Amino acid sequence: GAVVSQHPSRVICKSGTSVKIECRSLDFQATTMFWYRQFPKQSLMLMATSNEGSKATYEQGVEKDKFLINHASLTLSTLTVTSAHPEDSSFYICSARATGYNEQFFGPGTRLTVL
Amino acid sequence: AQSVTQPDIHITVSEGASLELRCNYSYGATPYLFWYVQSPGQGLQLLLKYFSGDTLVQGIKGFEAEFKRSQSSFNLRKPSVHWSDAAEYFCAVGVWGSSASKIIFGSGTRLSIRP
Repeated sequence: GAVVSQHPSRVICKSGTSVKIECRSLDFQATTMFWYRQFPKQSLMLMATSNEGSKATYEQGVEKDKFLINHASLTLSTLTVTSAHPEDSSFYICSARATGYNEQFFGPGTRLTVL
Repeated sequence: AQSVTQPDIHITVSEGASLELRCNYSYGATPYLFWYVQSPGQGLQLLLKYFSGDTLVQGIKGFEAEFKRSQSSFNLRKPSVHWSDAAEYFCAVGVWGSSASKIIFGSGTRLSIRP
């Protein structure tokens, strides 16, 4: 089956620093990738949708300058949390969708803790 | 607007008992429906999906779900639960279009298993 990986699985950083999270589709080409955020005991909230080679589309209320998304290739998307603060601590999950498929394949998630 | 409602926040059932998790959706067109399971600190695992055809869908781990258009429901069932089924369960609807596609998640139902 389709596999999506995320790196790192956990990251702890100091307030004010930037953190980059990678999302890779390992055995298929992902024309569209999605980034979600999940706070403890809550559901997944879509942050943004990125299509390879174009700018990401952000959901309402998500700061595009704070959460930078790059989808430079068909197998890699990155989420950079800039100037991270404790309130950005969360579980970030990516997913990927291949062209013509009505299904997303989810990565294992990245736990971000900002001190 | 599209939405997914999971009315039960937390359910506890005895091991070996049957299970039904409720899900209602709101979507103007024919929905693509999913059930995912998430163990603590882990990513999402797809249990089953409905795109079209037979309204009773079989999934992994002995789960099944029935799409009822008249009730806008997609309830998840299992005839006999195991202790390993304790997890968070998310119902989701896929919204696909030429300009945007996304998955909208319900708020989740936490399943506990009583020994």
